[in-house]
Amino acid sequence: AQSVTQLDSQVPVFEEAPVELRCNYSSSVSVYLFWYVQYPNQGLQLLLKYLSGSTLVKGINGFEAEFNKSQTSFHLRKPSVHISDTAEYFCAVRNTGFQKLVFGTGTRLLVSP
Amino acid sequence: NAGVTQTPKFQVLKTGQSMTLQCAQDMNHNSMYWYRQDPGMGLRLIYYSASEGTTDKGEVPNGYNVSRLNKREFSLRLESAAPSQTSVYFCASSEVASRVTYEQYFGPGTRLTVT
Repeated sequence: AQSVTQLDSQVPVFEEAPVELRCNYSSSVSVYLFWYVQYPNQGLQLLLKYLSGSTLVKGINGFEAEFNKSQTSFHLRKPSVHISDTAEYFCAVRNTGFQKLVFGTGTRLLVSP
Repeated sequence: NAGVTQTPKFQVLKTGQSMTLQCAQDMNHNSMYWYRQDPGMGLRLIYYSASEGTTDKGEVPNGYNVSRLNKREFSLRLESAAPSQTSVYFCASSEVASRVTYEQYFGPGTRLTVT
């Protein structure tokens, strides 16, 4: 069964510093990959998605992610974070042909001045 | 266009009480989902409905039932609430067309406490 690993439960970073949030998935079959963001006391909002094509995907709020099939990874990056990026970030994977998403346990990004 | 709406936003139940969480979407999506979110565990799928008239179990279905009332609405019922069901519940919807998959859209959540 597909599984998703987000190794870092919490990532503290200073404002304007770069950040990378790591995501690895278990299966090497064809997959669709997603990053969602959850601001405090809100639902989940899609940041970006990889379905096919270019392995570098750009999303909202200046985030981007790179799909690496050989390493089964889909790490999220931002070159310069803002205080407003403080939130929880979830990586999710689904195998092509299936409707169910499998979520990682989330990474809490804490941006301080 | 409200997207996915959930009611209620907050609920406190006593052990053994029952309740129904309501979810509706106005995006004409075929598929709908119920998740629970617990600290350190991410989101876990309780039930989903691939299309109107069908429902299937997810990862953690025990203690829950669902009804896909029509294309817009998908409800989650707790028949006899237990403290282990204290959680935040999210409803989501998506469209799957051909070989292209679309992301899931989430509601704002229902925070349920069972005492």
